[in-house]
Amino acid sequence: GALVYQYPRRTICKSGTSMRMECQAVGFQATSVAWYRQSPQKTFELIALSTVNSAIKYEQNFTQEKFPISHPNLSFSSMTVLNAYLEDRGLYLCGAYWVNYAEQFFGPGTRLTVL
Amino acid sequence: GDQVEQSPSALSLHEGTGSALRCNFTTTMRAVQWFQQNSRGSLINLFYLASGTKENGRLKSTFNSKESYSTLHIRDAQLEDSGTYFCAAEATGGNNKLTFGQGTVLSVIP
Repeated sequence: GALVYQYPRRTICKSGTSMRMECQAVGFQATSVAWYRQSPQKTFELIALSTVNSAIKYEQNFTQEKFPISHPNLSFSSMTVLNAYLEDRGLYLCGAYWVNYAEQFFGPGTRLTVL
Repeated sequence: GDQVEQSPSALSLHEGTGSALRCNFTTTMRAVQWFQQNSRGSLINLFYLASGTKENGRLKSTFNSKESYSTLHIRDAQLEDSGTYFCAAEATGGNNKLTFGQGTVLSVIP
């Protein structure tokens, strides 16, 4: 079956520091990965859509300078939260899918706490 | 504005009973997914629909693109069904961007 792993599962960082999170697809080829953030109030925001061998598309209010993403192959993607502050707290989820117009499979998320 | 309106926001069910969750869309959606989010935050895939109805055990989901809604029916609710349920839909031409509903917190009571 299609599985998506994320690590770390949770992390705490000091305000102004950075942290990197990883997403790995197992059992299928993740040609595309979408990174979302779920706020403490449970709302979801799409950060960016990444497709192998294509430019990464960031949503409004999210930038490559703040959330650089790497998607080097069909099973792995990583995202870094640079210079994290309180408003960056939340659960970061990656949704991976094989081709366009296909079901997305999500990892368990990386929960970021900023002190 | 919000493209996905999910209701109810909270629901309590006694074991063995059932109910329905609904998502209304304010724009034309190409497909919808339903998830259960457990207490650890994991999103569990329940259904993926481009049209019609699918059933899996005690769950059934319908997606009507023309009338812009999707439903998730739960019957014979069990304690382990407790959690937060989300619909997420992809707009036509939306390049696989999922827009999530606000979630329904389901509590199943013994």
